[in-house]
Amino acid sequence: ELKVEQNPLFLSMQEGKNYTIYCNYSTTSDRLYWYRQDPGKSLESLFVLLSNGAVKQEGRLMASLDTKARLSTLHITAAVHDLSATYFCAVDGIMNYGGSQGNLIFGKGTKLSVKP
Amino acid sequence: DAGVTQSPTHLIKTRGQHVTLRCSPISGHKSVSWYQQVLGQGPQFIFQYYEKEERGRGNFPDRFSARQFPNYSSELNVNALLLGDSALYLCASSLVAGLGKNIQYFGAGTRLSVL
Repeated sequence: ELKVEQNPLFLSMQEGKNYTIYCNYSTTSDRLYWYRQDPGKSLESLFVLLSNGAVKQEGRLMASLDTKARLSTLHITAAVHDLSATYFCAVDGIMNYGGSQGNLIFGKGTKLSVKP
Repeated sequence: DAGVTQSPTHLIKTRGQHVTLRCSPISGHKSVSWYQQVLGQGPQFIFQYYEKEERGRGNFPDRFSARQFPNYSSELNVNALLLGDSALYLCASSLVAGLGKNIQYFGAGTRLSVL
């Protein structure tokens, strides 16, 4: 059974601090996705990591992928309140038609709260 | 450009009833997937449709069914509703163009409450 495990599940940070969210997965997938979800809202794509060693950065967030360790990290630098949200990592499930991404296996999410 | 649109946004039903949820993908996207998100959990895959054919199915009972229309919009049907079906139902569309990154874009979801 494919599993995606995130930790921590809850994270309370102070503004200005750094922290890392971890995502372990059991499949041999070499593609990993990070999404953000605000309360009551839908999922917003943050990063798509397509190969071993991939690193993507956007503002205060940086994601990396180690396919050999089946581990992805989402690093938060100098957190600000606007980053408060739930962050999900996901991997491809079964191989889909044409290699498309159609079946994602999600972790339970990390609820991040950034306090002043 | 319009994103993925879902209707209705909220729905209240009672046990045993039937419900139909609708989704319109981003223009040009031919693949639609449905997910169920129970409060406090990550989304769980229900179905994927591409070119009007079912391409994948998650671990959900036969009470759940879906279809895709010639214009690539989709419906998710749930029969004999149970309390446990209460969740946010998300639709996602993607542009299928072979191997590579095909990001799924999610709609705002339909929140279903079963009483």
